Amino acid sequence: GENVEQHPSTLSVQEGDSAVIKCTYSDSASNYFPWYKQELGKRPQLIIDIRSNVGEKKDQRIAVTLNKTAKHFSLHITETQPEDSAVYFCAASAVSWGKLQFGSGTQVVVTP
Amino acid sequence: NAGVTQTPKFRVLKTGQSMTLLCAQDMNHEYMYWYRQDPGMGLRLIHYSVGEGTTAKGEVPDGYNVSRLKKQNFLLGLESAAPSQTSVYFCASSYSMWDPGTEAFFGQGTRLTVV
Repeated sequence: GENVEQHPSTLSVQEGDSAVIKCTYSDSASNYFPWYKQELGKRPQLIIDIRSNVGEKKDQRIAVTLNKTAKHFSLHITETQPEDSAVYFCAASAVSWGKLQFGSGTQVVVTP
Repeated sequence: NAGVTQTPKFRVLKTGQSMTLLCAQDMNHEYMYWYRQDPGMGLRLIHYSVGEGTTAKGEVPDGYNVSRLKKQNFLLGLESAAPSQTSVYFCASSYSMWDPGTEAFFGQGTRLTVV
């Protein structure tokens, strides 16, 4: 089955700096890669996603890149703000499985 | 729309007791999932369903059972609770695996403590 690994587990950045979180996946059939943000005590919510036919996608200060050959994808947050502090999860899925597999999460702390 | 609703929000069980967690969605979603969240371990998939009447095992299915008798409901059962099942449980649903419709919406979570 699919295995999604996520690094780092914690990330501390200064406000205004960039943050990068990396994930790798094992199953070449994976074709959908979402990122979720979970604020303390709340439910995870989708912030951006990418499909296997696209190499990069951007939405304001966040962007996701995908390297299908290397089976890894990354989340980039630019100009970080205190409200970016949260746990971020990557995930992978494929139409053939019908399930969504998550990474172990990255705790991002943005310090003023 | 309520979205995805989990019942109950909190529960304390004694070892060996049984309980059922209910997940209800009002978005006509086909896919439903049960995850558990433990510190440092992310969201681990327990069981999932790709449609009414179907269920499948995820990463950590042992000690849990599920049923999807109605499209809008996905039930997670613990037959004999163990302290290792102390966790926060999240239910999620999505419309399909095809674009659009792939976004998974989560319930608010159930905090379960087994003593």
